[in-house]
Amino acid sequence: DIQMTQSPSSLSASVGDRVTITCRASQNINSALVWYQQTSGIAPKPLIYAASTLQSGVPSRFSGSGSGTDFTLTISSLQPEDFTTYYCQQYKSYPVTFGQGTRLEIK
Amino acid sequence: EVQLVESGGVLVQPGGSVRLSCAASGFTFSDHYMDWVRQAPGKGLEWVARIRKRSNSYSTEYAASVKGRFTISRDDSKSSLYLQMNSLQTGDTAVYYCARVAIMFHCDFWGQGTLVTVSS
Repeated sequence: DIQMTQSPSSLSASVGDRVTITCRASQNINSALVWYQQTSGIAPKPLIYAASTLQSGVPSRFSGSGSGTDFTLTISSLQPEDFTTYYCQQYKSYPVTFGQGTRLEIK
Repeated sequence: EVQLVESGGVLVQPGGSVRLSCAASGFTFSDHYMDWVRQAPGKGLEWVARIRKRSNSYSTEYAASVKGRFTISRDDSKSSLYLQMNSLQTGDTAVYYCARVAIMFHCDFWGQGTLVTVSS
């Protein structure tokens, strides 16, 4: 199985900050990576797929980059609604696997 | 508008069985692969199963943790997805989400989830 490791597990930041979350795959997944945002108690929402393609309707302050084994999610200017949890997921091979999540908290 | 509505969540004893359903609307259900993903209380997301579409012979994939106990199926005539869960264990306690698989193979729409609690 492909292991997905996110870092950090939690992050404190302020409104307006630029933040980056990283995700590392245990083997090459090309660009088969998606980033999800999940607000507590609500279903996950895709932000970025194919490592760098913005999902329709998602604000442009979200961006993704990377290929192979190392990926990043960047939020250019944090808004109050962005303080929630983020997951990466690889869909290169089965079983599909998620990172453990990154909780973004208000400083 | 794409909608996915899960049902069937329940409190069940270890060793019991449950069948979850997911009613889809707002898109051509038969054109899409479909997934089940679960989330244990306070934990992260875990992919459970996938079913492909008719042109792929409705073939399936499972997580190792559920293989042989869970069965994913679909009824395109009813735009419905199912998850038959047998030999349930306390570790299967989770909110179960159904999700539509997009052409790029990520899940682009999710239901609101249904809670399955396995406890004596």
